[in-house]
Amino acid sequence: QVQLQESGPGLVKPSETLSLTCTVSGDSISSTNYYWGWIRQPPGKGLEWIGSIYYSGSTHYNPSLKSRVTMSVDTSKNQFSLKLSSVTAADTAVYFCARIGYCNAGHCYGINAFDIWGQGTVVTVSS
Amino acid sequence: DFQMTQSPSSVSASVGDRVTITCRASQSINSWLAWYQQKPGKAPKLLIYAASSLQSGVPSRFSGSGSGTDFTLTISSLQPEDVATYYCQQANDFPLSFGGGTKVEIK
Repeated sequence: QVQLQESGPGLVKPSETLSLTCTVSGDSISSTNYYWGWIRQPPGKGLEWIGSIYYSGSTHYNPSLKSRVTMSVDTSKNQFSLKLSSVTAADTAVYFCARIGYCNAGHCYGINAFDIWGQGTVVTVSS
Repeated sequence: DFQMTQSPSSVSASVGDRVTITCRASQSINSWLAWYQQKPGKAPKLLIYAASSLQSGVPSRFSGSGSGTDFTLTISSLQPEDVATYYCQQANDFPLSFGGGTKVEIK
């Protein structure tokens, strides 16, 4: 079955760059049916979409984070990555990666919702 | 951008009760709404997509309805294992967005 697994440092210093990778197994990240996304959840708070990336490298970002976010895909490793620059304590959160289908010009591919999620990884921003 | 507003923020009900959660979009999202269940320390789990389609393996006591701007998630007979926080999410267009969540507890 399809599985996603986040990896990366659990502690990042303020003003530095947070870097996370999501490894996909059981499916090809080059599938034309899906986008791959990052979602985060600060302690005790709700879910916040960070951004989504297609295998081709096409990206969509949350406008509130756009100036600090970069997402990329490595099809050879079946992975996609997140970089968030100039982090502050407000970026402390559980970071999830997930798969989502999409619709375009009246055609839908996969399930147009986050149907597969990683277990999440805790990232703390602190000196 | 699409703002998603859930209500109530929390609900307490007895086992066997019918529970209804509402999600309102700031503008029409057609039927592109998903519902998720999240238990403490776990990743969210997809329950409903396209407003009313039940994800495979999800119990039939969960159902979704609505279109345009107003949507509902219904648990027809609340079970102890349904204690969780529920989120709606619009998938109509980027940027994607989630509602603030509804915490469901047993009375």
